[in-house]
Amino acid sequence: NAGVTQTPKFRILKIGQSMTLQCAQDMNHNYMYWYRQDPGMGLKLIYYSVGAGITDKGEVPNGYNVSRSTTEDFPLRLELAAPSQTSVYFCASSYRPGDVNSPLHFGNGTRLTVT
Amino acid sequence: LAKTTQPISMDSYEGQEVNITCSHNNIATNDYITWYQQFPSQGPRFIIQGYKTKVTNEVASLFIPADRKSSTLSLPRVSLSDTAVYYCLVGTDNYGQNFVFGPGTRLSVLP
Repeated sequence: NAGVTQTPKFRILKIGQSMTLQCAQDMNHNYMYWYRQDPGMGLKLIYYSVGAGITDKGEVPNGYNVSRSTTEDFPLRLELAAPSQTSVYFCASSYRPGDVNSPLHFGNGTRLTVT
Repeated sequence: LAKTTQPISMDSYEGQEVNITCSHNNIATNDYITWYQQFPSQGPRFIIQGYKTKVTNEVASLFIPADRKSSTLSLPRVSLSDTAVYYCLVGTDNYGQNFVFGPGTRLSVLP
């Protein structure tokens, strides 16, 4: 069982370039999330989705876009990369957050550097 | 949002019991308390969740007093491999967007 899979693991972008971070889960979870984690800090929510076709902004959405065309996939798009977007990005999924025995399942992250 | 406060860091030695306390003074009636563990270069991993009193699983115990304004994660007989960052989260909203990860507690287990 793969769980939550993120690709790529590492990426270096030049300022102004664009890229898509891929996230896929095989647990048939409805809820999916994108977080970013800066060095020594906690995770900040960028976007989340409660099901296919439904997305909403989290705490730090500026500079990012998402789509959710299927239950399994939740890609994160950076249109004009900026140095402030240098971070580690984590994708997570959950069956039903807040319920007992329905925790967040995280991928292993994508480390992005913008220079 | 139920904000949490944890110690930034803790040190321990192998074989000792480690207790990490989290304060959540404005916890709501329906909120659960959840702890995650994060190793370097990995995503956080669920450890334990509880609502009140005591919860125990194969990894840890979670103690929650009657007023629920704090909780304590207890790791019995830690080993070097327990060196990680531990996050306390409080919430129960239906969409999960209000789960706030603070800086967590960086636990260092020494030989």
